[in-house]
Amino acid sequence: DIQMTQSPSTLSASVGDRVTITCRASETIYRWLAWYQQKPGKAPKLLIYKASSLESGVPSRFSGSGYGTEFTLTISSLQPDDLATYYCQQYSSYSYTFGQGTKLDIK
Amino acid sequence: EVQLVESGGGLVQPGGSLRLSCAASGFTFSSFWMSWLRQAPGKGLEWVANIHQNGGERFYLDSVKGRFTISRDNAKNSVYLQIHSLRAEDTAVYYCARDDSSGSYYADWGQGTLVTVSS
Repeated sequence: DIQMTQSPSTLSASVGDRVTITCRASETIYRWLAWYQQKPGKAPKLLIYKASSLESGVPSRFSGSGYGTEFTLTISSLQPDDLATYYCQQYSSYSYTFGQGTKLDIK
Repeated sequence: EVQLVESGGGLVQPGGSLRLSCAASGFTFSSFWMSWLRQAPGKGLEWVANIHQNGGERFYLDSVKGRFTISRDNAKNSVYLQIHSLRAEDTAVYYCARDDSSGSYYADWGQGTLVTVSS
């Protein structure tokens, strides 16, 4: 199975900061990567698919980039509503795997 | 509006069985792959299984092969997960989700149903 490794595991930032989360795959997944936001007690929400395509309705401060084995999720200007845990997911090959998550705290 | 509603979770003893259901609405159910995913308490997300539109192809997480069976009934707009030989490590919230038409990523999720395996 392809292993997905996110960093950092936790992140504390201030409102207005630029925030970057990294996801690395153990082998190439081309562009088959999605990013999700999950708030406590809720189902995940899709933010980005195909590495850099913004899901409809998601604020433009979220962006994704990368190809192959290294990917990033960037929040250009952190907002209080962005307090959540973020996950990457590869859908290049079975079993589809997720990163371990990045918990984002607002300072 | 896409809606996915899971049911069937509960408290089960180790070695027991359970059948989870997911009722779908708001889209042409028979046109989409469907998946089950899970999340153990305080842990990350884990893909469990998915099933082709006509049920002819099914894929599973290695650790659940032989114990979990995914199925669907397109006439009832429902997908199921039959779980046997439950273990403590199967304790999780189980979500059903709709695969996107261009790949197995998930814009549409149910609210989840909690399965607790404990004596």
